[in-house]
Amino acid sequence: AQSVTQLGSHVSVSEGALVLLRCNYSSSVPPYLFWYVQYPNQGLQLLLKYTTGATLVKGINGFEAEFKKSETSFHLTKPSAHMSDAAEYFCAVSDTGNQFYFGTGTSLTVIP
Amino acid sequence: NAGVTQTPKFRILKIGQSMTLQCTQDMNHNYMYWYRQDPGMGLKLIYYSVGAGITDKGEVPNGYNVSRSTTEDFPLRLELAAPSQTSVYFCASIRGKNSGNTIYFGEGSWLTVV
Repeated sequence: AQSVTQLGSHVSVSEGALVLLRCNYSSSVPPYLFWYVQYPNQGLQLLLKYTTGATLVKGINGFEAEFKKSETSFHLTKPSAHMSDAAEYFCAVSDTGNQFYFGTGTSLTVIP
Repeated sequence: NAGVTQTPKFRILKIGQSMTLQCTQDMNHNYMYWYRQDPGMGLKLIYYSVGAGITDKGEVPNGYNVSRSTTEDFPLRLELAAPSQTSVYFCASIRGKNSGNTIYFGEGSWLTVV
């Protein structure tokens, strides 16, 4: 069975500081990995995804994530936080391509 | 391009009432999903459909029903609403069973049962 663990339900960073949101997964087959962002009262929007190929994936708004198979991790980073990055972030895994398993989310607060 | 559209956005129900959450997508996607989102719990799959006429239960189907008469529409029916069904509901879709599909979400329906 697949599962996703997001360490830290709440993360606070200062504006301009590094953003690091952690995601670990379990999967019996090579996974497809996703990060989604949810702004207040909105649906989830894709930030980036890993399917195959290069393990460092770049997404929208300056975010990137690295797939590390040996660590079963797919952590999300951004070098410099902006106030507009404040949102809920979800990591998700898919093995079959049509079933998705989501983490419990990490709420990011950016302090001015 | 509208994508996935859900209605209503907000609804208050009394215990025991019934209602239908509507979902439609204009991307000709085969797979459609209903999730509920509760604080600190992430998204839980209620029902999904792999195509018109085919539906299947997800992780938390009790108290809900779905139908898929067309490719575009995937309504979620709540019968005899209970306070435990207070949640945010998201409809979503993907093109088909291909590796690495991006799942597209509607904007959500906030439901309160009182």
